[in-house]
Amino acid sequence: DTAVSQTPKYLVTQMGNDKSIKCEQNLGHDTMYWYKQDSKKFLKIMFSYNNKELIINETVPNRFSPKSPDKAHLNLHINSLELGDSAVYFCASSQWDRQNEKLFFGSGTQLSVL
Amino acid sequence: DAKTTQPPSMDCAEGRAANLPCNHSTISGNEYVYWYRQIHSQGPQYIIHGLKNNETNEMASLIITEDRKSSTLILPHATLRDTAVYYCIVRVRDDKIIFGKGTRLHILP
Repeated sequence: DTAVSQTPKYLVTQMGNDKSIKCEQNLGHDTMYWYKQDSKKFLKIMFSYNNKELIINETVPNRFSPKSPDKAHLNLHINSLELGDSAVYFCASSQWDRQNEKLFFGSGTQLSVL
Repeated sequence: DAKTTQPPSMDCAEGRAANLPCNHSTISGNEYVYWYRQIHSQGPQYIIHGLKNNETNEMASLIITEDRKSSTLILPHATLRDTAVYYCIVRVRDDKIIFGKGTRLHILP
């Protein structure tokens, strides 16, 4: 079983649309993250949730709204998609009381905005 | 911003040890050194971490200099599947992980 799973793997959409990416982890972790990797391959943290509470928000446009219905899920909703949103989005999880010793990443969602 | 400096790329022959250097001259006493790697089109994968002692696990060894200003990740017998971008990261244990540019390691057959 995949530890951190994201859906969809590929997402192609038009500018201005609204889309969501889902993430689930079955590791029993209490902290989840979204990272964005752009075309230059820089991997940047966007958000972090601990037990469904937002703890990191790295100056991401408010068109991006993460939602954590429970500690095993962290979904990312993006409104009014722009060309610059094209990237690979990675979900990750860790265990907070182990000082986030290891991050486990999903396999990524490649978003292409046309 | 990343607090580490790594060479942009390195080559290593298959079967040989791959030694990946990392400079972290401004590291503070409570910051750990972490290594992750990203194989093409996959999510990053944790490799190893340490504070000041050398560490070894089933994937690699981590050698940290006595002054802690640099470290080396060692893959003892590199295989083609070790071709990846390797990230050296320093952080306080409960702080966010910030990825730099990493080293692109090519394993040559």
